[in-house]
Amino acid sequence: DQQVKQNSPSLSVQEGRISILNCDYTNSMFDYFLWYKKYPAEGPTFLISISSIKDKNEDGRFTVFLNKSAKHLSLHIVPSQPGDSAVYFCAASGGYSEGGSEKLVFGKGTKLTVNP
Amino acid sequence: GAVVSQHPSWVICKSGTSVKIECRSLDFQATTMFWYRQFPKQSLMLMATSNEGSKATYEQGVEKDKFLINHASLTLSTLTVTSAHPEDSSFYICSAQGFPYRSPLHFGNGTRLTVT
Repeated sequence: DQQVKQNSPSLSVQEGRISILNCDYTNSMFDYFLWYKKYPAEGPTFLISISSIKDKNEDGRFTVFLNKSAKHLSLHIVPSQPGDSAVYFCAASGGYSEGGSEKLVFGKGTKLTVNP
Repeated sequence: GAVVSQHPSWVICKSGTSVKIECRSLDFQATTMFWYRQFPKQSLMLMATSNEGSKATYEQGVEKDKFLINHASLTLSTLTVTSAHPEDSSFYICSAQGFPYRSPLHFGNGTRLTVT
């Protein structure tokens, strides 16, 4: 049972345009969401996060939108640059779990290609 | 920014041998370290959570005796794959989390394990 879903395995956009990566979740207990970026042969790098008390968080070219009623979040990258080409993982958390630590549940990732 | 060093980056071993993977937080104290496994085109699957000085908490379906985790200090956690078999071949990634609550995870660059 996949609690965090990224239904688009890949996305291709032109440089300068907007990239929109989508993520859906099923667990209503999730209250904290993150986006990670991953290059080949490297570990994921934190990009941006959002708490469920907000519906938008912006950091430079990256904006994350959260629609709690639809259990949907999206990452917008404007303008897209070739260096943004990577796999983007959506992750969600619902607070402390067994053992006193917080677990993140990851989606399968979306591979973004930004063409020059 | 926070750096997590994972070593080795790749390893090839023979079936039946054991392999140790190290994960170090270089410039912060990691209260919690997580170990993930990633299969091709799949999401990061959490294997276990470890807190310094206590036993690791394993996810359902992960064999504790096969994947030994030691979190000896606030900067070092190790994963030992014991009696490795070809089906253990995978990409293993560690992540570390420090303070404050819900500070983003910082990932190592992963270890590609190939068991022949």
